[in-house]
Amino acid sequence: DAGVIQSPRHEVTEMGQEVTLRCKPISGHNSLFWYRQTMMRGLELLIYFNNNVPIDDSGMPEDRFSAKMPNASFSTLKIQPSEPRDSAVYFCASSARRGEGYTFGSGTRLTVV
Amino acid sequence: AQSVAQPEDQVNVAEGNPLTVKCTYSVSGNPYLFWYVQYPNRGLQFLLKYITGDNLVKGSYGFEAEFNKSQTSFHLKKPSALVSDSALYFCAVRDLTDSWGKLQFGAGTQVVVTP
Repeated sequence: DAGVIQSPRHEVTEMGQEVTLRCKPISGHNSLFWYRQTMMRGLELLIYFNNNVPIDDSGMPEDRFSAKMPNASFSTLKIQPSEPRDSAVYFCASSARRGEGYTFGSGTRLTVV
Repeated sequence: AQSVAQPEDQVNVAEGNPLTVKCTYSVSGNPYLFWYVQYPNRGLQFLLKYITGDNLVKGSYGFEAEFNKSQTSFHLKKPSALVSDSALYFCAVRDLTDSWGKLQFGAGTQVVVTP
């Protein structure tokens, strides 16, 4: 298995532009999580899905952020419009079932200038 | 509410010496506890977990962790640290009384192993 795959690995964009981050979870995993990591705030859970249904999006910072999971093998996190304070590393993780740990992707390093 | 605390922002240790990274937890039910490691510019990698059974759990790269219910702790240990163990370590807890069992991560502890 190739693990959790995220793309792109790096993204540099100008303030105001739309950014879309992508994630492919491990096949058979039914839970998917989006995290953001910064030096100031550490690791923050933004949103998670179970069987493609959003369960908890209370960590999504603003309406500028949205996430979708149209099927079991794909999820997107979109920021529109982007701002410099959105600069961070965004991780996607998936899990097979309750009680199991998560497998993380390598992350997307987003820089908004 | 479930939570974990990692009381040390950074741990410094000389190569060859024992390494301990502390973690305490607070949950309303039975805890599932995890340790993850993050190397620079990488995602978090699973090290080990405690579900039930022996209080001493062995994991990857020679690490182990001891579950202590009375002290609500789950400290990560390695008998002899390597320079390559320098990384950011996260403790996490999953409370199965929560319907979806999501993980709650600690703030992380930076481990620096000097030659």
